[in-house]
Parts: sequence; structure tokens; C-alpha cells
Amino acid sequence: KQEVTQIPAALSVPEGENLVLNCSFTDSAIYNLQWFRQDPGKGLTSLLLIQSSQREQTSGRLNASLDKSSGRSTLYIAASQPGDSATYLCAVSPTGFQKLVFGTGTRLLVSP
Amino acid sequence: GAVVSQHPSWVICKSGTSVKIECRSLDFQATTMFWYRQFPKQSLMLMATSNEGSKATYEQGVEKDKFLINHASLTLSTLTVTSAHPEDSSFYICSAPSTGNTEAFFGQGTRLTVV
Repeated sequence: KQEVTQIPAALSVPEGENLVLNCSFTDSAIYNLQWFRQDPGKGLTSLLLIQSSQREQTSGRLNASLDKSSGRSTLYIAASQPGDSATYLCAVSPTGFQKLVFGTGTRLLVSP
Repeated sequence: GAVVSQHPSWVICKSGTSVKIECRSLDFQATTMFWYRQFPKQSLMLMATSNEGSKATYEQGVEKDKFLINHASLTLSTLTVTSAHPEDSSFYICSAPSTGNTEAFFGQGTRLTVV
């Protein structure tokens, strides 16, 4: 059974810092991995999608890497801003059917 | 990107009543949709897979008679929480895979509170 873990569970940083969120999964046979952002009481915003054949994806200040063989992904946020405060979720798709297994989430707080 | 619309965004109901949540793919067809729920301070857990034209597939521990799923068309799936109890209070969210199954698109979610 696929299990997805995210470390740290919570992170508090001052504005401007670069930071790294970690995601690990137990079964390396994945189709793709997605990083999402969830604001309190709200739905999910997709940030980055990495196909299993890819090593990384970038969007603006965000960069996500994938090491499928070791079962790890990292989300790098450059020059953090208070507006980045949210819960960040990673999720893997075991098959090409987009039935996702979610991680436990990292709650990020960026203070001004 | 593709849009999935979920309605209502929040609902409060009395114990024992039923609540229906709708999930629509607005600009693409989805033969499959997924329903997740999220309890406070926990991550999203898959409840069931909704299949257009056939029965839904439920994850272990999810009561199919309590959580009725109907995939009425290629753009609409509904989740009905029957005889709701306070422990059913949760955040419910649906998703639909994109054409080609390359990405999952999520609805806005529904916060259900049973009093």
C-alpha cells in the first residue's frame, strides 16, 4: 500500500527565506506526482505536476524535483512571501488514472 | 486549465437528513471522478471512484449505503450523504482526471457540518 509522508509537518519562516519541503513515498512505481496548495477551508490549487519520466518542474518561484527510485520529491520555494502561507500537499498517482494518494501536508507560515 | 465545479461550497444540515453534493466537469468529459474527504488536521483520503454508467467503487471502510454516488452523465457526479451524523462532518472534495489522464483537477470542495 502506497504511503506518502511529508516533512516537516509545520514550518514557520520570515519573509524572504528560501525553503524546502520534503515528500517521500514508499512505492516508487508511480505515474506522476503533484504538489498542491490548500488554503484554510478551501480547495486545492495545483502547483506543479511531475511525470514519472521527469526530474523536475519549475513555475515562477517554485521548483519541484522528483527522484523516483528513492521515493522522494522536494518543493523549493524561493524568496518566500506572506502570501505563500498555506498547507502544501504532495500526492502521487500510482497508475495513469489520477486516483491520488496524498501526503500528510506541510503547514507553512511566512511572517512579514 | 480544465475546470471542475463543486456545489455547494458549504452546507449545514440536521442529523438524520441527507445532503447531496454535485461535481461537474465544465469543459471536458470525465468518465471517472473521485471523491475524497478530509477530517480536521488530516490529509485527504480517497472515499470512492465514481464511474459513468456503472457502480461506484468504494475504498475500504467507506459505507456504500451511506455515501451514495451517482455518475449521471459524462460531466456530473453526485455524492449523497444519507442519514447524516455529526461524525460525517468533514470537507468533501471531488476530482476528475484530464483528458488523457495526465492530471487531476479538483473542485472547490464542500464543507459539511452536521448538527
